[in-house]
Amino acid sequence: DAGVTQSPTHLIKTRGQQVTLRCSPKSGHDTVSWYQQALGQGPQFIFQYYEEEERQRGNFPDRFSGHQFPNYSSELNVNALLLGDSALYLCASSLASPTQYFGPGTRLLVL
Amino acid sequence: RKEVEQDPGPFNVPEGATVAFNCTYSNSASQSFFWYRQDCRKEPKLLMSVYSSGNEDGRFTAQLNRASQYISLLIRDSKLSDSATYLCVVISGGYNKLIFGAGTRLAVHP
Repeated sequence: DAGVTQSPTHLIKTRGQQVTLRCSPKSGHDTVSWYQQALGQGPQFIFQYYEEEERQRGNFPDRFSGHQFPNYSSELNVNALLLGDSALYLCASSLASPTQYFGPGTRLLVL
Repeated sequence: RKEVEQDPGPFNVPEGATVAFNCTYSNSASQSFFWYRQDCRKEPKLLMSVYSSGNEDGRFTAQLNRASQYISLLIRDSKLSDSATYLCVVISGGYNKLIFGAGTRLAVHP
């Protein structure tokens, strides 16, 4: 039973560029949440997708957008990258439960 | 004020020691509480849920005090493998949005 997978594992971009991160949830899970973890901080909630709709959003600007596909996989897009967007981006999946399972994350560096 | 606050540590303890971490949360309507463990450069993993009645899992004991809005984690007989960052997590509102503290770093030495 595959757990949550994310791609790519690492990414280097320059300011102003755009990036797309991908997540496949744990088998059977229908809800995907995205978190940003800056160095030395706890993860911060970006948004959550359920039934291909953004169901809840954290305090992040519109530069952060996402999508969920019919197979429950999800993408996180960030436009007009800033240096401060450098972080570990975590995807978590769940099924009608508060228990969320995290993927290994994508480490993004913006230069 | 942050929604979830933790002492960042680090806590440096010898093997076999007992160590306790504390966490406070600001939203009295919070409904679910957890401790996650995060190893260096890895994803957070659920350690245990926290209930008002307290719960124990081997060497780990978690406790919730709703009146004081306070959560604790006790680790007995520390092992080298317990070295990690421990994240206090609260769910407030609908849709199970996890709110993390900044984490408490534990280093267990021989």
